[in-house]
Amino acid sequence: DGGITQSPKYLFRKEGQNVTLSCEQNLNHDAMYWYRQDPGQGLRLIYYSQIVNDFQKGDIAEGYSVSREKKESFPLTVTSAQKNPTAFYLCASSVGTGKIYEQYFGPGTRLTVT
Amino acid sequence: DAKTTQPNSMESNEEEPVHLPCNHSTISGTDYIHWYRQLPSQGPEYVIHGLTSNVNNRMASLAIAEDRKSSTLILHRATLRDAAVYYCILRHEYGNKLVFGAGTILRVKS
Repeated sequence: DGGITQSPKYLFRKEGQNVTLSCEQNLNHDAMYWYRQDPGQGLRLIYYSQIVNDFQKGDIAEGYSVSREKKESFPLTVTSAQKNPTAFYLCASSVGTGKIYEQYFGPGTRLTVT
Repeated sequence: DAKTTQPNSMESNEEEPVHLPCNHSTISGTDYIHWYRQLPSQGPEYVIHGLTSNVNNRMASLAIAEDRKSSTLILHRATLRDAAVYYCILRHEYGNKLVFGAGTILRVKS
């Protein structure tokens, strides 16, 4: 089955620690995205990558870092500099441009930092 | 990116049609209208998208006003599984990002 895998589903960390969230896709999509969602709100874009070894900041990149060494993988590191890291994190990939464009989402990782 | 306006919440009865409105008065001629929905504790999923003409697929229909300043997502027979947050999003023709607003919470009553 093709899709996007995010692990783990729930993650707990102490304040001051960096944590890396995993995102893997086997859809052969070039573009990948990371979003953050807070309770009762829509998704906000953290980082996105159109191609391997290249990525761009989204609207709320401060306190986060990413890498894109392989087409299939786009890990997100939540650093200790992120002031409010507790949130639901969603990874996505996309296919197409112009008339045909669709994003596919993973199941998400719920991060709690105390 | 042009903005969209949606009601905060709507309620529907099971087995009845649901019309979810979206206003986008600043839409440009090359903006596509996308709809995604997000079930509780899951990632969003694609529902439908269109440019000018009405669109139908197995999940829903999209009715686009003639002036394109508004659109309506139509679920023909709501089921309990359709209870979700529905997002209306504009994307430029060659845009590669989606900007999610707060969406409309759809509640379906049995």
